[in-house]
Amino acid sequence: AQTVTQSQPEMSVQEAETVTLSCTYDTSENNYYLFWYKQPPSRQMILVIRQEAYKQQNATENRFSVNFQKAAKSFSLKISDSQLGDTAMYFCAFMKRNNNDMRFGAGTRLTVKP
Amino acid sequence: ETGVTQSPTHLIKTRGQQVTLRCSSQSGHNTVSWYQQALGQGPQFIFQYYREEENGRGNFPPRFSGLQFPNYSSELNVNALELDDSALYLCASSSAPTSTSQETQYFGPGTRLLVL
Repeated sequence: AQTVTQSQPEMSVQEAETVTLSCTYDTSENNYYLFWYKQPPSRQMILVIRQEAYKQQNATENRFSVNFQKAAKSFSLKISDSQLGDTAMYFCAFMKRNNNDMRFGAGTRLTVKP
Repeated sequence: ETGVTQSPTHLIKTRGQQVTLRCSSQSGHNTVSWYQQALGQGPQFIFQYYREEENGRGNFPPRFSGLQFPNYSSELNVNALELDDSALYLCASSSAPTSTSQETQYFGPGTRLLVL
């Protein structure tokens, strides 16, 4: 079974600094997708970034980038120039190709301090 | 905010009762997925509906059932409620099944269910 582990329950960062959230996963599959979702307090969950396992290049979306290490089964999220609005729960998720069962980690609560 | 809406926002039921939760998908979306998010945990996939048919199911018992209507809105039904069913129930819509990967899921705000 595929499992997703986020080893940092809580993290904090000063505004404008950089922070990295960790995620590891366990799978025997070769074709899969990885995601980071953001769930702000009392607001809807939104997709931050997605990575396809067959792509070696790390995905980037503005201030958000990932470090995808396929052999190590690691998928970390780097947030640059942190903003107060980045305060949220962040969930790492895994999905096998051609399968709709998306597996989420337990989340990391990120607080950006002014 | 996304165009996905859910009702009700909060609900209190007692053990053994039945509950129906509703989700309106974003305009143009034909796929709805349901997730259960227990307190302090990540969401768990319940099932997905695509064009009114179930299109994948997670590890949930048959007392969790669903329906999708011709307008692509969806219902989640839970029978014989148990205390452990207390959770935030999220629905997410997309313009195609998530297995295609290129499709982004848009989540609703959730329904918080408390079973006493």
